[in-house]
Amino acid sequence: AQRVTQPEKLLSVFKGAPVELKCNYSYSGSPELFWYVQYSRQRLQLLLRHISRESIKGFTADLNKGETSFHLKKPFAQEEDSAMYYCALWNQGGKLIFGQGTELSVKP
Amino acid sequence: EPEVTQTPSHQVTQMGQEVILRCVPISNHLYFYWYRQILGQKVEFLVSFYNNEISEKSEIFDDQFSVERPDGSNFTLKIRSTKLEDSAMYFCASSTDRALSYEQYFGPGTRLTVT
Repeated sequence: AQRVTQPEKLLSVFKGAPVELKCNYSYSGSPELFWYVQYSRQRLQLLLRHISRESIKGFTADLNKGETSFHLKKPFAQEEDSAMYYCALWNQGGKLIFGQGTELSVKP
Repeated sequence: EPEVTQTPSHQVTQMGQEVILRCVPISNHLYFYWYRQILGQKVEFLVSFYNNEISEKSEIFDDQFSVERPDGSNFTLKIRSTKLEDSAMYFCASSTDRALSYEQYFGPGTRLTVT
């Protein structure tokens, strides 16, 4: 079964602290994973994708096939990082399979 | 920057009524999607659409649902006879291609409330 799990509904950190948002997946093929972000009252937007191996707004994510994980990390959280973060698995047919989302709250 | 738009932003309807949710995808995009998110739950795929036909649909997308591209710009989701459990946020998305490298751009969503 194709599934994405984000175990934390809410993650609260202080500004400047490191952040790790967890994502685990279940997929029989070669997985392609994304992180989407939704800031308050804004639309879902792509943050980064595994295939690009990029760093966006200081965030990075590494695919660990052994642990079936794609955790999102940032060394120093900023208040403007507060948002809902969704991990998503891309299906060969083009659809995205989302996790339940983690709300990140960065306190001053 | 071009954006996907959706109307209305909020729709309230009575159980059993038909609703049509409207989306205007980005103009040069060819693939269109509907997702929904029930309050407190994950975003779920409903249907994908290309070349005037459904490419893929989920088990949620039963006979009560239909999609249409009535003209060159709109992409609609119709629910024939709404149920209470259809209350959710409905997101439209579009992309230039369904291949991995092509980003899906999401609209702001329509909140559907069935009473």
